[in-house]
Amino acid sequence: AQSVTQPDIHITVSEGASLELRCNYSYGATPYLFWYVQSPGQGLQLLLKYFSGDTLVQGIKGFEAEFKRSQSSFNLRKPSVHWSDAAEYFCAVVSGGYNKLIFGAGTRLAVHP
Amino acid sequence: EPEVTQTPSHQVTQMGQEVILRCVPISNHLYFYWYRQILGQKVEFLVSFYNNEISEKSEIFDDQFSVERPDGSNFTLKIRSTKLEDSAMYFCASSGGQGGQETQYFGPGTRLLVL
Repeated sequence: AQSVTQPDIHITVSEGASLELRCNYSYGATPYLFWYVQSPGQGLQLLLKYFSGDTLVQGIKGFEAEFKRSQSSFNLRKPSVHWSDAAEYFCAVVSGGYNKLIFGAGTRLAVHP
Repeated sequence: EPEVTQTPSHQVTQMGQEVILRCVPISNHLYFYWYRQILGQKVEFLVSFYNNEISEKSEIFDDQFSVERPDGSNFTLKIRSTKLEDSAMYFCASSGGQGGQETQYFGPGTRLLVL
């Protein structure tokens, strides 16, 4: 069965530092992969997605992610974190013909000034 | 920018009571979903809905749950007799197409507390 693993439950970085959030997936074919962000009291907002083509995907808010088939990974990166990036980040993969999303457990990001 | 809306934002109910959670998907979308997130756990798929019928449902979505699109704009999730373990954040989502690359747009969620 498809699954998504986010190994880091909490990450704390200093403002201006670089960020990488890890995501590993288990899926037989070429996956459709997504990163969502959830700010407190808000819904899930799409940051970026990968479904084919260039393995480096650009998203909103300065985020990017790289699909690596050999490592079954889709890690999210940002070169310089802002305090407003503090939120919970979810990696997800599409599963099945009706496109249900399988989510990872999420990574909560804290940003220190 | 179009967005998915959900009401109420919070609901407290007694065990055994019926609740209806409401969602207004993005207006030209055709595919609708409910997910839930129990506190401290993953976001889990409940059900997908297209063309006025359920496309897929998870093991969680038992006979106590039902979904409906009563009119052209609303999409509802009903829990017939709530249990303590139904306490969770419930998210509605919609998408414009069926392809796996289609983005699902999520609402802000309804936090349900069953006492």
